[in-house]
Amino acid sequence: KQEVTQIPAALSVPEGENLVLNCSFTDSAIYNLQWFRQDPGKGLTSLLLIQSSQREQTSGRLNASLDKSSGRSTLYIAASQPGDSATYLCAVRRGSSNTGKLIFGQGTTLQVKP
Amino acid sequence: EAQVTQNPRYLITVTGKKLTVTCSQNMNHEYMSWYRQDPGLGLRQIYYSMNVEVTDKGDVPEGYKVSRKEKRNFPLILESPSPNQTSLYFCASTLPGGGSQETQYFGPGTRLLVL
Repeated sequence: KQEVTQIPAALSVPEGENLVLNCSFTDSAIYNLQWFRQDPGKGLTSLLLIQSSQREQTSGRLNASLDKSSGRSTLYIAASQPGDSATYLCAVRRGSSNTGKLIFGQGTTLQVKP
Repeated sequence: EAQVTQNPRYLITVTGKKLTVTCSQNMNHEYMSWYRQDPGLGLRQIYYSMNVEVTDKGDVPEGYKVSRKEKRNFPLILESPSPNQTSLYFCASTLPGGGSQETQYFGPGTRLLVL
């Protein structure tokens, strides 16, 4: 059974710091992995999607890496800003196609203090 | 603008009163799904649909129904809501096929309170 774990559950940093959010999964048979952002009471916004054959994806100040064999992904946020404060969710897509089940971690709630 | 819309956004109802939460996407996506999000339990899939007239149960389907008569719409039906269905509900869609097109899009959420 695929389980996705995110550590830490919460993180508070001063503005400007670089930070890393961690995601681990128990079954390496994944199709892809996505990082989402969720603002309080709002929906999920996709940040980065990494296919199982890829090692990393970058978008602006965000960089996500994937090590399928060890069951780990990290989301690196450079030069954090108060606007980055949100909950970040990692999700893996099981199986061999994009119709496989999406399994979510519990999320890391990030607070960036001005 | 590519989007998934849900209605209503907020709903307070009473036990046993049938309700429907609508979901619509404008991206011609084949794959749609419903999730509920609860504190400490994260996001759990309720039902999903691979295409029109093709639906299947997710992890927590009890007490819910869905239908997929058109590609763009995927309503969630609670025939007889109970308090344990109080939750935040999300509809999502994606386009199977490969690469960057496979991003999962989520609706804004529907917060349901069943008294």
